[in-house]
Amino acid sequence: TQLLEQSPQFLSIQEGENLTVYCNSSSVFSSLQWYRQEPGEGPVLLVTVVTGGEVKKLKRLTFQFGDARKDSSLHITAAQPGDTGLYLCAPRSGGSNYKLTFGKGTLLTVNP
Amino acid sequence: DTEVTQTPKHLVMGMTNKKSLKCEQHMGHRAMYWYKQKAKKPPELMFVYSYEKLSINESVPSRFSPECPNSSLLNLHLHALQPEDSALYLCASSLLGPGGGEKLFFGSGTQLSVL
Repeated sequence: TQLLEQSPQFLSIQEGENLTVYCNSSSVFSSLQWYRQEPGEGPVLLVTVVTGGEVKKLKRLTFQFGDARKDSSLHITAAQPGDTGLYLCAPRSGGSNYKLTFGKGTLLTVNP
Repeated sequence: DTEVTQTPKHLVMGMTNKKSLKCEQHMGHRAMYWYKQKAKKPPELMFVYSYEKLSINESVPSRFSPECPNSSLLNLHLHALQPEDSALYLCASSLLGPGGGEKLFFGSGTQLSVL
């Protein structure tokens, strides 16, 4: 059974601060997706990382896939209130990748 | 059209009621999903339909009954629910069947309260 950890679970910061969210597992992933869910909405895909060591940037968001493809991080620079939401990592691995199970999520609040 | 539309947005029902949640997409996606989400928790998979056939049932109680009338529509029929079934029910779709590792498109959900 794949053990998936996402941290921190809750994060409340001031506008302009930087933050990093982590997603770690004991298993190797074929790929990993990050979603953001805003209050009252469904999750929206931010990025898919596939290659070990891969770094992808989306404006102020930087996503990294670990070299061993067991972990990933999301770094937000100069957070804004619009970044508030639940950040979910969703690894894909082996025969169960179609299930798209999520990590426990990081609930981020950016205060103005 | 890149939307997944869910109705109703809010639903309050008694434990003896029968109701249905509806989900619709017109993106030509062949896989559709139901997720249940409690407050401040991640979505939990309930059912997956692939090419209009039920391919995954995550041991969901029989008081939840999914239906896929055609490739664009997905229903979730509710009967004799319990208060602990109160949650946000999310529908999602993806282009191909299971195993593609592809993007899921989510609806905004139905917020269900069982009294």
